Amino acid sequence: DIQMTQSPSPLSASVGDRVTITCRASQSISHYLNWYQQKPGKAPKLLIYTASNLHTGVPSRFSGSGSGTDFTLTISSLQPEDFATYYCQQTFDNPLTFGGGTKVEIK
Amino acid sequence: EVQLVESGGALVQPGTSLRLSCAASGFTFDDYAMHWVRQVPGKGLEWVSGINWNSNSVGYGDSVKGRFTISRDNAKKSLFLQMNSLRPEDTALYYCAKGFGEAFYYYYLDVWGKGTTVTVSS
Repeated sequence: DIQMTQSPSPLSASVGDRVTITCRASQSISHYLNWYQQKPGKAPKLLIYTASNLHTGVPSRFSGSGSGTDFTLTISSLQPEDFATYYCQQTFDNPLTFGGGTKVEIK
Repeated sequence: EVQLVESGGALVQPGTSLRLSCAASGFTFDDYAMHWVRQVPGKGLEWVSGINWNSNSVGYGDSVKGRFTISRDNAKKSLFLQMNSLRPEDTALYYCAKGFGEAFYYYYLDVWGKGTTVTVSS
């Protein structure tokens, strides 16, 4: 199985900060990497698909990059509504797997 | 509006069975793969199972392989998860999610339901 490792966790930041979350796969997954945001008591929401594509309706301050084994999710200027937990997921191989999550907390 | 509504969650004893359902609306159900994802309260997401559009290809997470069976009824726009030999560690909120493409792999999960709670305890 492909293991997905996220860092850091948690991440403490302030409104307006540039935030970067890293996701590393245990083997190459090409560009089959997605990012989700989850707020307490809510279902996850898709942010970024296939490493760098912004899902419909997601603010442009979110961006993704990477390929192979190393990926990043960047929030260019953290907003109050962005405090949440972020998960990466690989869809390259069965079983699909998620990273452990990165909780973005208020500093 | 695209919507997924899960049902069937319950409190059950270890070793018993339970069947979850997910009713889909607002999209052409038989064009897309579907998934089950679970989450223990306070913990991360775990992919449970996926099924492609015509049921010809399915996949399971290691922790449920051999105990859970995913299926779908395209005529009824419904997804199911048959869970057998339930264990306390299966206790979680179970989400139904829509895949973007026909295959359950390669594509992202773009629509999620609100989940149904399964509790396995004696």
